[in-house]
Amino acid sequence: GAVVSQHPSRVICKSGTSVKIECRSLDFQATTMFWYRQFPKQSLMLMATSNEGSKATYEQGVEKDKFLINHASLTLSTLTVTSAHPEDSSFYICSARVQGQGEKGYTFGSGTRLTVV
Amino acid sequence: AQKITQTQPGMFVQEKEAVTLDCTYDTSDPSYGLFWYKQPSSGEMIFLIYQGSYDQQNATEGRYSLNFQKARKSANLVISASQLGDSAMYFCAMRPLYNYNKFYFGSGTKLNVKP
Repeated sequence: GAVVSQHPSRVICKSGTSVKIECRSLDFQATTMFWYRQFPKQSLMLMATSNEGSKATYEQGVEKDKFLINHASLTLSTLTVTSAHPEDSSFYICSARVQGQGEKGYTFGSGTRLTVV
Repeated sequence: AQKITQTQPGMFVQEKEAVTLDCTYDTSDPSYGLFWYKQPSSGEMIFLIYQGSYDQQNATEGRYSLNFQKARKSANLVISASQLGDSAMYFCAMRPLYNYNKFYFGSGTKLNVKP
């Protein structure tokens, strides 16, 4: 079936550095991808919607300059956490909708656990 | 405003028994979809079942069924014949049908299946 591949699965970075997370749609084209953040023992919160060839749409309260999203092709979206700080430590997960599969078609990546030290 | 409430942070069930995971929601939207996802320790979100707000019958997908009570705004997940592999986090979610993108997730229920 359609798969969203997300890398890396885990990353530890130093405070002040930037980290890039990739999300690739395998076997299907994703004009739209969604980026979520999940705090420990909490629900997923939508951060932004990534649109191929145009600017991402950010949810209220999400810093655009902190979380840079690029959707350069129909199969790749990236989230870059810039100047990361310990409070950015979290689980980030991407999602895309596979056309033609109805409501079952929202497929998720396996997530990236970011730890900022 | 949309809100999804899962009141059970953790649940235990004996293998081969049935278990019900609770979910209530609050929305003013007339049309919406309700979802359940499973998140194992590996992190990915696995689709389990979907119920549309206009669907007259409760949804079923194999061992999963959704007990939809629209008037009570509840969408409980029933897992029959629990298996050890069912141990995971379970999330209830809602998507207003006017909004292609926006999912609202509950805080999740950690299910542990005991042998």
